[in-house]
Amino acid sequence: GAVVSQHPSRVICKSGTSVKIECRSLDFQATTMFWYRQFPKKSLMLMATSNEGSKATYEQGVEKDKFLINHASLTLSTLTVTSAHPEDSSFYICSGRDSLGNTIYFGEGSWLTVV
Amino acid sequence: AQKITQTQPGMFVQEKEAVTLDCTYDTSDPSYGLFWYKQPSSGEMIFLIYQGSYDQQNATEGRYSLNFQKARKSANLVISASQLGDSAMYFCAMREGRNTDKLIFGTGTRLQVFP
Repeated sequence: GAVVSQHPSRVICKSGTSVKIECRSLDFQATTMFWYRQFPKKSLMLMATSNEGSKATYEQGVEKDKFLINHASLTLSTLTVTSAHPEDSSFYICSGRDSLGNTIYFGEGSWLTVV
Repeated sequence: AQKITQTQPGMFVQEKEAVTLDCTYDTSDPSYGLFWYKQPSSGEMIFLIYQGSYDQQNATEGRYSLNFQKARKSANLVISASQLGDSAMYFCAMREGRNTDKLIFGTGTRLQVFP
């Protein structure tokens, strides 16, 4: 089946620095991918829709200048957390759908800790 | 109003027994899709089963089946012959409409399988 790969799985960064998370669709092309955030013991909340070749669409309340999304190819979307703060510490996970089917697949997720 | 409701924060089941995880949804769109995902402690979201709003039959995937009751707007997940490895968080999610892959998630149910 389709596979979505996310990297890194865990990252620790200092306050004020930026960190990039990659989301790759390994065996399908995704014109659209999605980025979610999950706080401990909570559900997944959609942050933004990543559109290949165009600007991302952000959900209400998500700062687009803080969470930069780039979708430069049909198999790669990146999320960059800029000027990270401890409150940005969270689990970030991406998803994509193989256009041939209905299944929406998720990456392995990335645990971000800002110290 | 909650779009996806999972009323069971936690469930226990004995190994080899069947368990039903509840999910109700709310939408006025006639075209929607319902998903169940398993999230172990590692964080990855593992796709289990999908049900489309126009599907005539209840979806089944191995030990997983979806009890889809459209009039009641419920999409309960049934896991048969529970295994210890089934212990995890389970999320019900909905894709609302025909032209989106955005998912709205429920709050999840933590399933614990005991010997």
